[in-house]
Amino acid sequence: GAVVSQHPSWVICKSGTSVKIECRSLDFQATTMFWYRQFPKQSLMLMATSNEGSKATYEQGVEKDKFLINHASLTLSTLTVTSAHPEDSSFYICSAPPRWGLDSYEQYFGPGTRLTVT
Amino acid sequence: GENVEQHPSTLSVQEGDSAVIKCTYSDSASNYFPWYKQELGKRPQLIIDIRSNVGEKKDQRIAVTLNKTAKHFSLHITETQPEDSAVYFCAASRTGGSYIPTFGRGTSLIVHP
Repeated sequence: GAVVSQHPSWVICKSGTSVKIECRSLDFQATTMFWYRQFPKQSLMLMATSNEGSKATYEQGVEKDKFLINHASLTLSTLTVTSAHPEDSSFYICSAPPRWGLDSYEQYFGPGTRLTVT
Repeated sequence: GENVEQHPSTLSVQEGDSAVIKCTYSDSASNYFPWYKQELGKRPQLIIDIRSNVGEKKDQRIAVTLNKTAKHFSLHITETQPEDSAVYFCAASRTGGSYIPTFGRGTSLIVHP
């Protein structure tokens, strides 16, 4: 399978500051990564798709200037939450996309980052 | 786009009982239906999936059934154990290209010892 790591696993920051979350593909090259946000007892909400070497594609309702996504290399995608507020507190998970065309279409998720904004 | 409805939102069973979670989808062209299990604070992990060319798939205590005509699919867990307690998500997608699976809202399964 594909291994996806995230760092940090949890972070606490003060309101108004920015936080960067890293998502790495450890054993494969990823031209695309999905970023999800998950509030307690809720589903995975796709925020955006990062694309290596080009701009990210944001889902409707997601603020591009607030959630900055960069995919600078084939193994690293980052999400920066700028000017964080308490309502941004959530579980952020990245995921490699399903590899259509292979035997398994499994979507490999990172371990997630718990963000708490105080 | 695809819309996936999942029921129930919470399911409480006694150890040893069976559990059934149901999902419906809207896009008749969807042909891939995975189920993910997510334990508290952890990443979702695939437990079983089914493709539209089969009606049922089984893996030990878990099984998934698919009714393409009615556009619904279900997860069946038999002989439930406390370690089955988790949130289960269904998803639906077309395969290939840039298609992205759409997830259901999740079902919190609680298995009481």
